[in-house]
Amino acid sequence: GAGVSQTPSNKVTEKGKYVELRCDPISGHTALYWYRQSLGQGPEFLIYFQGTGAADDSGLPNDRFFAVRPEGSVSTLKIQRTERGDSAVYLCASSALGGKEQYFGPGTRLTVT
Amino acid sequence: SQKIEQNSEALNIQEGKTATLTCNYTNYSPAYLQWYRQDPGRGPVFLLLIRENEKEKRKERLKVTFDTTLKQSLFHITASQPADSATYLCALDGNRDDKIIFGKGTRLHILP
Repeated sequence: GAGVSQTPSNKVTEKGKYVELRCDPISGHTALYWYRQSLGQGPEFLIYFQGTGAADDSGLPNDRFFAVRPEGSVSTLKIQRTERGDSAVYLCASSALGGKEQYFGPGTRLTVT
Repeated sequence: SQKIEQNSEALNIQEGKTATLTCNYTNYSPAYLQWYRQDPGRGPVFLLLIRENEKEKRKERLKVTFDTTLKQSLFHITASQPADSATYLCALDGNRDDKIIFGKGTRLHILP
């Protein structure tokens, strides 16, 4: 079956602009996670959803970052007033109900110029 | 605060030998620990999960140990192959919930 998909694969934006990153999880997976990964680092937790609600958003760095999952499937990570420090690969993962292993998408590489 | 440490330098291993990667953690009492593989330009891929009450887990050429007293996990790849070259990430559940925290990873190079 289809895995986790993320769009776009690459995004270049200017400082101060707004961006949206999309994640399509594996069908039927109830949990969805967003991570940010910088070069040479492991994925850094941002937020995770159980169904439609954000179960833990403690990793969001500030109020410029926001994520939604309105129907419990697709999720969008939104970044306002982007800064150069936001440049990274943004990874999405999903897991089945009760499952601990996470299935990752290929990531979106965000570059803020 | 919670901290996870993995071999910070790249690890070079001769083909056919056993590669051993280390994951140490502090200020944690995780219920389980996971290992993932990540290739350049790709997302991590789940390999193994070991729970706090398990000492060892095996899957094909992979073996993971979990010592909650030492706060350490060892990840072994036996009969290593060049195709095993990748970055290997250790991950622990954060505060015993569904969120997991990743280490920085260890870059493994299997030399032919």
